[in-house]
Formats: sequence, structure tokens, C-alpha cells
Amino acid sequence: SQTIHQWPATLVQPVGSPLSLECTVEGTSNPNLYWYRQAAGRGLQLLFYSVGIGQISSEVPQNLSASRPQDRQFILSSKKLLLSDSGFYLCAWRDRVGDTQYFGPGTRLTVL
Amino acid sequence: GQSLEQPSEVTAVEGAIVQINCTYQTSGFYGLSWYQQHDGGAPTFLSYNGLDGLEETGRFSSFLSRSDSYGYLLLQELQMKDSASYFCAVRDRRGFQKLVFGTGTRLLVSP
Repeated sequence: SQTIHQWPATLVQPVGSPLSLECTVEGTSNPNLYWYRQAAGRGLQLLFYSVGIGQISSEVPQNLSASRPQDRQFILSSKKLLLSDSGFYLCAWRDRVGDTQYFGPGTRLTVL
Repeated sequence: GQSLEQPSEVTAVEGAIVQINCTYQTSGFYGLSWYQQHDGGAPTFLSYNGLDGLEETGRFSSFLSRSDSYGYLLLQELQMKDSASYFCAVRDRRGFQKLVFGTGTRLLVSP
């Protein structure tokens, strides 16, 4: 069966510090991968998606970036965090023929 | 682009039936999905409608009318554990690889 991992679960970082969040998927090949951000009590904002290794589509301009160095690995990064980057970051995957997106457990980021 | 509208909050009592509506705007509509998210947790898939009509999965049903750009999620025999946020999400043919979510409806079930 397929599983999706995200780490860390929680993170507290100072403004201006770098960020690296990792997401890995097991049990599937060539998935579509997604990064979402959710502010407290709000909806899910699509940040990036990837349909293959090295292929990244950005949905909103921001100081975040994403990379997909391996088929089942998706990384969200920032060189310098802003206060507004605080939120709940969710990674998700979907296979090429299905309609269901499966979410990881999320990383709760607080920027102070 | 796409936009979706849902009520921000709905309240109901145990055993009742509740309907959560979703209206959307998109070009080249492909399908409407529903997800449930408990506080602090990740969204989980509930239902998908690609064609008009009703899809039933246990206590939950989802309806779609493509001509009205409208769908709803129907929850029957409400239980306390159904208290959560519910999101509709749409995929369209131009951005087929993307799933865009609505702002979510918070459902509060009371005894």
C-alpha cells in the first residue's frame, strides 16, 4: 500500500532563517506531487506541483521554492523565512489515472 | 482560474442531516471532489463527482449539477466525530494536474 511521509511534524524558526521540508512517498511510481499551505482556520493554498523529476510548477509568487530530486521525493525550501510563511504545510500525491489526492500528516511551521 | 464558494460554518445536532453547498467557476470543468479535515489533521478524500447526479458512500453522498456549476455534500445520521472542516475541490481541463480547494466549511455537531 502507499504511504506518504513528511518531516518534521512541527518546526519553529526565526525570521530570515532557511527552510527545508521533505516529503517522500512509498508504494507508487511516477506520482504527481503537491505542496499546499494552510493558514490557521483557512483553506488550502496550492504552492507547487510536480508531474515528474525536475519538473516544478509554481502557483504563487513567493520566497519559497520546490524541488523534486527523485521520483518520490518532494522538497520545499526557502532561503530566508518571513513571518507570513507560518502555516500548516501539506504534501500530497496523486497517481496519473486517479482523482484522489492523498495527503501527508503535514508540518506545522511557526516563524518568529 | 478557478474559484469555489462554500458556507464558512454549519451547525447541526447528532442524528440530523446536513447539506454543505459548493458553487464553482472554472473553464473546462473536469470533476468535483470533497475532502474532510479534522482539527490538526490532514485532509482525507470523501467523494468525487465527474458526472451529474448523486454518488453515495455510506452516510455521505455528493451531488453535482454541471449546468449549474453546483454541488453539495450530504451527511446523514450525523455523529459527533463528523465535526470537522469540509472542502470542495475542482479540477479543470486546462489545469488538469491541479486540484484547487474551496475555503472550507466548518461543521459543528452538537449532542
